[in-house]
Amino acid sequence: GQNIDQPTEMTATEGAIVQINCTYQTSGFNGLFWYQQHAGEAPTFLSYNVLDGLEEKGRFSSFLSRSKGYSYLLLKELQMKDSASYLCAVIPSGSARQLTFGSGTQLTVLP
Amino acid sequence: DVKVTQSSRYLVKRTGEKVFLECVQDMDHENMFWYRQDPGLGLRLIYFSYDVKMKEKGDIPEGYSVSREKKERFSLILESASTNQTSMYLCASRKGNTGELFFGEGSRLTVL
Repeated sequence: GQNIDQPTEMTATEGAIVQINCTYQTSGFNGLFWYQQHAGEAPTFLSYNVLDGLEEKGRFSSFLSRSKGYSYLLLKELQMKDSASYLCAVIPSGSARQLTFGSGTQLTVLP
Repeated sequence: DVKVTQSSRYLVKRTGEKVFLECVQDMDHENMFWYRQDPGLGLRLIYFSYDVKMKEKGDIPEGYSVSREKKERFSLILESASTNQTSMYLCASRKGNTGELFFGEGSRLTVL
């Protein structure tokens, strides 16, 4: 089976840095996605990691360690608009068309 | 920009009614998906389709069926709606086996 774990909630202050962790146990691995979802809206793509290491994209970075089954999303210079749910999703091998999602981490950014 | 359009943002139905949720994408993607999203459970895959008239069950297909008669359109059908199918339903599409999912705005279904 597939198992993806993320913290349920996190709180941080505007201007700070926050790291959202994701651990996974899946039948094989073909890549990991991070999505952002604001309340009442559709999820939107943030990042994709298939090789180990850090991918940086502006204020957001995503890290992957395949040997540890671990990823994190790093958000720098937090803004109020970053308050959202952050979803980790893994493509297991054997069914490359599908993504399996974690339950999401609700991030609240305080002034 | 890829656009995934779901026919209804909000629906209220009664137990036992048949429900159709329609999804259309405009980027010629092969793969289309139906998820439901519930608090604490995240996104769970109901069905997906990788070609016209082709479909595969996801993690929670019971009580649902799907139809893909045209490449751009993927329909989710609840033959006899039940209260435990009250949820947010999200359609998504994806090109090939790489790349991101593009989501529709979601359809919030309430079954009374």
